[in-house]
Amino acid sequence: EDQVTQSPEALRLQEGESSSLNCSYTVSGLRGLFWYRQDPGKGPEFLFTLYSAGEEKEKERLKATLTKKESFLHITAPKPEDSATYLCAVQAPMGNNRLAFGKGNQVVVIP
Amino acid sequence: EPEVTQTPSHQVTQMGQEVILRCVPISNHLYFYWYRQILGQKVEFLVSFYNNEISEKSEIFDDQFSVERPDGSNFTLKIRSTKLEDSAMYFCASSVTETQYFGPGTRLLVL
Repeated sequence: EDQVTQSPEALRLQEGESSSLNCSYTVSGLRGLFWYRQDPGKGPEFLFTLYSAGEEKEKERLKATLTKKESFLHITAPKPEDSATYLCAVQAPMGNNRLAFGKGNQVVVIP
Repeated sequence: EPEVTQTPSHQVTQMGQEVILRCVPISNHLYFYWYRQILGQKVEFLVSFYNNEISEKSEIFDDQFSVERPDGSNFTLKIRSTKLEDSAMYFCASSVTETQYFGPGTRLLVL
């Protein structure tokens, strides 16, 4: 069963057109929710860790938020260099470090 | 900024051959991981390693796979007898606590 579902699968944005990516999760006892950026043929690049509902983290044009059932990655005024696949992953109870990833949100920002 | 490094970046092998994928985790990290990503699919957990032993493994990590930390810096993944379905990107990651940092990956192609 899928623990992490990301939507939309793919998104095309005009430069400057803000949008949000969704990550829904179904794991109990969430220890952490992670956002990564992945460029084609490269490894996941860490962006944010969120631990509890209501938490928000921000970096440049990206802002991540967390509720008890989902997380959002808001992209404000995106630039072409924000084009990438954004991966959401969850980490379950204590003593279990594995990350369970979603399929990703593929974002293309058109100049 | 410290990074996880992996070698080789690409490896082509014949079915049935053994391969060893190498990783140098970030130097002060204590937890080490291997993940794989089949083309177009999710990133999948294989194994985690702490204090010189496997702490967790997935159902994918069968007897064909093994991991080792042969010295103070390297962390290796061995596949004893490769199969066509082992073709994937293999990522090494390391962490101090929850947040995992990924290497650039090794693209393995089994012919």
